[in-house]
Amino acid sequence: AQSVTQLDSQVPVFEEAPVELRCNYSSSVSVYLFWYVQYPNQGLQLLLKYLSGSTLVKGINGFEAEFNKSQTSFHLRKPSVHISDTAEYFCAVGRVGRRALTFGSGTRLQVQP
Amino acid sequence: GAGVSQTPSNKVTEKGKYVELRCDPISGHTALYWYRQSLGQGPEFLIYFQGTGAADDSGLPNDRFFAVRPEGSVSTLKIQRTERGDSAVYLCASGLAGAGETQYFGPGTRLLVL
Repeated sequence: AQSVTQLDSQVPVFEEAPVELRCNYSSSVSVYLFWYVQYPNQGLQLLLKYLSGSTLVKGINGFEAEFNKSQTSFHLRKPSVHISDTAEYFCAVGRVGRRALTFGSGTRLQVQP
Repeated sequence: GAGVSQTPSNKVTEKGKYVELRCDPISGHTALYWYRQSLGQGPEFLIYFQGTGAADDSGLPNDRFFAVRPEGSVSTLKIQRTERGDSAVYLCASGLAGAGETQYFGPGTRLLVL
């Protein structure tokens, strides 16, 4: 079975500052990796995903993530955040050959003016 | 185009009652998923349909939970003899069933069992 750890439950940051949201996973088999965002009163929306190939993945809204197999990490970054980035961010892992996703417990990004 | 829709958006019921939650996936999506999200947690997988059949129901917590997708489109999640611990947001997602597919999520049904 796989698991996902998001160590930071909340990350406060000032507008226009850079941010990194951490995600570590464990799995004995090959995985796919995802970041989803959940804005208040909205459904989960895909930010980006890693399937194979280049370890640096670019997503929507200026976000990017880097897959590090040796450290089993998939941290999410943005060089300059906006107030509108305030939301809950979920890292998820899917095992190759199985459709179900395993989600982390989420990180609440709070962007302050 | 239209996204995944779920009805009702909110459901309040009493302990021991039966509830049905409905999911309308994106048109043409053959894969359909149900997840449950408890307060302060990430979504937890319940069941996956490929077409009309349940391809993976390993996440269903017990036999009080059941889901159907009789025509390969709309799905209904059914919970019998509800318990207070069933209170959560129930999320539905759909996708095109490829390797590493994107799952598109609906807004969820918030279930409160009193």
